[in-house]
Amino acid sequence: DTAVSQTPKYLVTQMGNDKSIKCEQNLGHDTMYWYKQDSKKFLKIMFSYNNKELIINETVPNRFSPKSPDKAHLNLHINSLELGDSAVYFCASSQFIGTQETQYFGPGTRLLVL
Amino acid sequence: AQSVSQHNHHVILSEAASLELGCNYSYGGTVNLFWYVQYPGQHLQLLLKYFSGDPLVKGIKGFEAEFIKSKFSFNLRKPSVQWSDTAEYFCAVSAGGTSYGKLTFGQGTILTVHP
Repeated sequence: DTAVSQTPKYLVTQMGNDKSIKCEQNLGHDTMYWYKQDSKKFLKIMFSYNNKELIINETVPNRFSPKSPDKAHLNLHINSLELGDSAVYFCASSQFIGTQETQYFGPGTRLLVL
Repeated sequence: AQSVSQHNHHVILSEAASLELGCNYSYGGTVNLFWYVQYPGQHLQLLLKYFSGDPLVKGIKGFEAEFIKSKFSFNLRKPSVQWSDTAEYFCAVSAGGTSYGKLTFGQGTILTVHP
């Protein structure tokens, strides 16, 4: 009954490879997010989708491409992986009630680029 | 653009000590405020949130936070910490009144509680 799930949990890969991370939420939320947590634990938003439409894109290299096949899924595809992409990637989802929203996070995907 | 500052990078306490973690934000409009906790190796969990109303909000596990609008602060408190509170704590802000939330996080405060 996991609310926000991500796969894989760990991902170790070589520089230059292309990889995808998947996120699914069963909360019925309309909005989903990707955040990156760097080695200093600093969390920064990357993307946000609402009902399959991109609404936030925060100066992320275009090697990162989010895809939302439906409002319960938000996947992140990364091309030509670089060492600096090593981080923990968190997916989150939320539902707005008026102007109030609470984001619920997935367990994270630990990406290590060698 | 909003920003969030957490004053303490690492706080070390003994069990039963009282805790206060500082959080200040900069944003001129209406804000939604949150504290999240990240236990070692785990995902972010919501501790508490403030949208409007009573500026003193209570969360899970005995935590509370007070929103002081004039000071742009949302400090987290707990009267008596336990060893199991050892974790990293993140303050976060989103701009209220907008259609789609963008959480801006502080740098995080690591709390270590010694038995």
